[in-house]
Amino acid sequence: DGGITQSPKYLFRKEGQNVTLSCEQNLNHDAMYWYRQDPGQGLRLIYYSQIVNDFQKGDIAEGYSVSREKKESFPLTVTSAQKNPTAFYLCASSISTGMNTEAFFGQGTRLTVV
Amino acid sequence: AQSVTQLDSQVPVFEEAPVELRCNYSSSVSVYLFWYVQYPNQGLQLLLKYLSGSTLVESINGFEAEFNKSQTSFHLRKPSVHISDTAEYFCAVSDRGNTPLVFGKGTRLSVIA
Repeated sequence: DGGITQSPKYLFRKEGQNVTLSCEQNLNHDAMYWYRQDPGQGLRLIYYSQIVNDFQKGDIAEGYSVSREKKESFPLTVTSAQKNPTAFYLCASSISTGMNTEAFFGQGTRLTVV
Repeated sequence: AQSVTQLDSQVPVFEEAPVELRCNYSSSVSVYLFWYVQYPNQGLQLLLKYLSGSTLVESINGFEAEFNKSQTSFHLRKPSVHISDTAEYFCAVSDRGNTPLVFGKGTRLSVIA
């Protein structure tokens, strides 16, 4: 089945530690995105990538980093510089940002800092 | 930059009653418009979209939305809701350019038996 796979579904992190969230897609999409969801705030864009080896900051990129070494994969690292990392993280993909007819979403990763 | 306003954060409604979830966007340029639905602890699923053509678009489960360019609105409606429609609904906009979707803050629809 084609789709987007995020792992793990739940993640716990100690303060001061970096953690990497995985996102893989087999839809052959060029564009991939990371959004953060907090109650009552909707989805806010962290980073996006339009093509392999290229990515751009979104609205709330501070404290996060990404890489795009393969078309299928767009991992997100939450660094210790992110002051309030507890949230629900959603990965998405689309054919491209220039033809943004639909974005497909993964099932999300819930990150909790303990 | 685009912005999306969902005017109601929560909408309670009795089963089999009609519902309207409101969405307004900021830009008057040509846009693509979307409604997504999210069930608890899950990702977002596309409900319906407006790309071009008829301003009234429908989903397979009875929802519809109408694109109104003059009012920059894309309100979501259903004539008779079911318990299973209880979820959070997000309106989103793309300016057809080289930018990602911009989402509203969501409306939580609660259907009461």
